[in-house]
Amino acid sequence: AQTVTQSQPEMSVQEAETVTLSCTYDTSESDYYLFWYKQPPSRQMILVIRQEAYKQQNATENRFSVNFQKAAKSFSLKISDSQLGDAAMYFCAYRRGRGDMRFGAGTRLTVKP
Amino acid sequence: DAMVIQNPRYQVTQFGKPVTLSCSQTLNHNVMYWYQQKSSQAPKLLFHYYDKDFNNEADTPDNFQSRRPNTSFCFLDIRSPGLGDAAMYLCATSSGSTDTQYFGPGTRLTVL
Repeated sequence: AQTVTQSQPEMSVQEAETVTLSCTYDTSESDYYLFWYKQPPSRQMILVIRQEAYKQQNATENRFSVNFQKAAKSFSLKISDSQLGDAAMYFCAYRRGRGDMRFGAGTRLTVKP
Repeated sequence: DAMVIQNPRYQVTQFGKPVTLSCSQTLNHNVMYWYQQKSSQAPKLLFHYYDKDFNNEADTPDNFQSRRPNTSFCFLDIRSPGLGDAAMYLCATSSGSTDTQYFGPGTRLTVL
């Protein structure tokens, strides 16, 4: 079974600083997808970034980037120039095949002004 | 704008009284999902439809059922809600088996 582990229940960052959220996963598959989702207090889940396992290049989306280490089964999210609107719960997720999305327990990010 | 819509946003029901939650999408995605999310926990997949093909997760209680009458709509039926079923229910869609899932705003269910 695939499991996703987020070892940081809570993180805090100063506005304009950089923060990295950790995620590790366990799988025996070689082809899969990884995602970071953001869930603000309004509770709508929003896709932040996605990574295909077959791609060696780390995905980036504006201030968000990932450090994908396939051999280590690690998928961390870096948020640069943090903004107050980045405050949310962040979920790391793994997906292989139909309907097989597994979420980590989440990391609650606080951004201090 | 194309989106995933869930109605109602808040639903209150009584213990044992059947309730139906609805999800609609304008994305024309062929896959629709229902998740249950309890407070401060990760979403848990209940089931999904790939077109009309229904896929139930092994640990989804029999109390939970779903219907998908057409591409745009999907319903979650809870036949006899218990106090433990109080949660946020999230609907999501994707355009294929491996594509990104897009989530609706959720329906918060309260069971009295």
